[in-house]
Amino acid sequence: EVQLVESGGGLVQPGGSLRLSCAASGFTFSSYEMNWVRQAPGKGLEWVSYITSSGSIIYHRDSVKGRFTISRDNAKSSLYLQMNSLRAEDTAVYYCARVTGAFDYWGQGTLVTVSS
Amino acid sequence: EIVMTQSPATLSVSPGERATLSCRASQSVSSNLAWYQQKPGQAPRLLIYDASTRATGVPARFSGSGSGTEFTLTISSLQSEDFAVYCCQQYYNWPPLYTFGQGTKLEIK
Repeated sequence: EVQLVESGGGLVQPGGSLRLSCAASGFTFSSYEMNWVRQAPGKGLEWVSYITSSGSIIYHRDSVKGRFTISRDNAKSSLYLQMNSLRAEDTAVYYCARVTGAFDYWGQGTLVTVSS
Repeated sequence: EIVMTQSPATLSVSPGERATLSCRASQSVSSNLAWYQQKPGQAPRLLIYDASTRATGVPARFSGSGSGTEFTLTISSLQSEDFAVYCCQQYYNWPPLYTFGQGTKLEIK
């Protein structure tokens, strides 16, 4: 069974940092591209970051470029999102999602709250 | 950025009836279109990919159609568990700049 389990969310002050993790199981993690997607309270889904299966190519949406970094450790079947210089508008549930064209499996999400 | 627009924002339908949800792309996305179902407090669930292919385990009452800029999700006979928010997504762009519609809330009439 495919499972994606996020962790690392929490309350952080504006300007602070957090590192999200996504532990994958039930499939060959190193064969799949992965994404982070977020959802602000009461809002729609917003793609954040993408990484190829090897980790050699990454993309971020413009609003997080220079602040967020996606990475992965295929030996540990884990995906990461390093978030720096956090802003109030980054408050959201963050999901990791597996890519097969569409996003076929999602984790349960981890809540990041940026507030003083 | 490709903008995805869904209509209506809210759809009220009685159990057993048919529901038709629409999604429009601001430019052609070919058939690179997915539909997701999301219930409160849960992660999105993939229903349809490549505009018309049901994902694994999705009941046959869910069907998708369209290509280019106009897409439709049809639920043929609504069950109680189908009342949720439905969202479309394009995955046509490269480099990836995936975009989602704002969602249609399907509620019980």
